[in-house]
Amino acid sequence: EVQLVESGGGLVQPGGSLRLSCAASRFTISGNWMSWVRQAPGKGLEWVANINQDGSEKYFVDSVKGRFTISRDNARNSMYLQMNSLRVEDTAIYYCARDWDESGKGIDHWGQGTLVTVSS
Amino acid sequence: DIQMTQSPSTLSASVGDRVTITCRATQSISSWLAWFQQKPGKAPKLLIYKASTLETGVPSRFSGSGSGTDFMLTISSLQPDDFATYYCQRYNSNSRTFGQGTKVEIK
Repeated sequence: EVQLVESGGGLVQPGGSLRLSCAASRFTISGNWMSWVRQAPGKGLEWVANINQDGSEKYFVDSVKGRFTISRDNARNSMYLQMNSLRVEDTAIYYCARDWDESGKGIDHWGQGTLVTVSS
Repeated sequence: DIQMTQSPSTLSASVGDRVTITCRATQSISSWLAWFQQKPGKAPKLLIYKASTLETGVPSRFSGSGSGTDFMLTISSLQPDDFATYYCQRYNSNSRTFGQGTKVEIK
């Protein structure tokens, strides 16, 4: 069974930075796009960013452009989200997700999520 | 950017009911639509992709239909395990957008 494990969440002050990691196992991420999706407390799902198989294409939701960067290390079977200039409204559970491959599926597996709290 | 609108936002139903949730895109997304189920405190789970293809292991009471801008998720006979929140999501381009969610509650 595909496994995705996020880490790196925590409490940070507004304006601070945090780096999330996603470690994949039981599949090789090099065959898939990978995404980050977040969910603010009591709210719906919001797609944040994704990255293609070799890291040459990256896309972001408008609200994080210029503040967040996404990267991957296929050799380590891992993906990352660098979050800078954090705002209170970035508070959410951040999920790592396996995304598009040639099967025609988009997101099909999710991690358990890591909580990011931005507060003074 | 393409927006996704689900209706209703909340749905009250009984075990055994037939339930339909709709999802509308602001422009055509062909059949690049997925449906997810989420229970409290858990990660979402993929139910349907490419608008109508059932994910492996998902019960056959779930079905999806539609193309272009209008889509539906149908649960043919609601079971106790189905009370949850459901999200549609488009993936027709490199970005993704989720609907706002539909909470299915016990009537």
